[in-house]
Amino acid sequence: AQSVTQPDIHITVSEGASLELRCNYSYGATPYLFWYVQSPGQGLQLLLKYFSGDTLVQGIKGFEAEFKRSQSSFNLRKPSVHWSDAAEYFCAVGADSGGYQKVTFGTGTKLQVIP
Amino acid sequence: EAEVAQSPRYKITEKSQAVAFWCDPISGHATLYWYRQILGQGPELLVQFQDESVVDDSQLPKDRFSAERLKGVDSTLKIQPAELGDSAMYLCASSFSGQGSPEAFFGQGTRLTVV
Repeated sequence: AQSVTQPDIHITVSEGASLELRCNYSYGATPYLFWYVQSPGQGLQLLLKYFSGDTLVQGIKGFEAEFKRSQSSFNLRKPSVHWSDAAEYFCAVGADSGGYQKVTFGTGTKLQVIP
Repeated sequence: EAEVAQSPRYKITEKSQAVAFWCDPISGHATLYWYRQILGQGPELLVQFQDESVVDDSQLPKDRFSAERLKGVDSTLKIQPAELGDSAMYLCASSFSGQGSPEAFFGQGTRLTVV
């Protein structure tokens, strides 16, 4: 069974600073990997996804993530954070499970942005 | 833009009462998920449908929770009787099941408060 670990529960960065959110997964083969963002009281919005090919993927809102097979990681990055990026970020892994896709989420990283 | 529709957005119910949530997935999405998200945690899968069939309900508390997707389109999740510990956000998501793109698209969620 697949699993996802987000080691940082809470991160605070200054507006304009760079950001990296960590995600490690566990799965026997190459999984599908996703990053979602959730604003308070809202559903989850997909930021970006990785299936295959180029290991550096670009997403919406200026985010990117890099798949590193050797480290089983899929870290999310943004070069310059904006106050509107304050939200909770979830990494997820999708994998084949008995003929259907199963998507498992990490516990999330809450991002606080200070002026 | 196609969206996953959920209703109601908010629900307050008394302990031991019955409560139901409705979800209409994106047209053409054969896979439908119900997740429960407790405040400060990641989404936890309750039940997954492929068309009208349940493919995963291993984490669904079947003594009080039930879910159906009779015509393989919209779905209802029911809790009876509700308990204080059921207070959470209930998220519905859908995904396309064909080749390529298994990412889940989420609705706005239903915030349940049991008093």
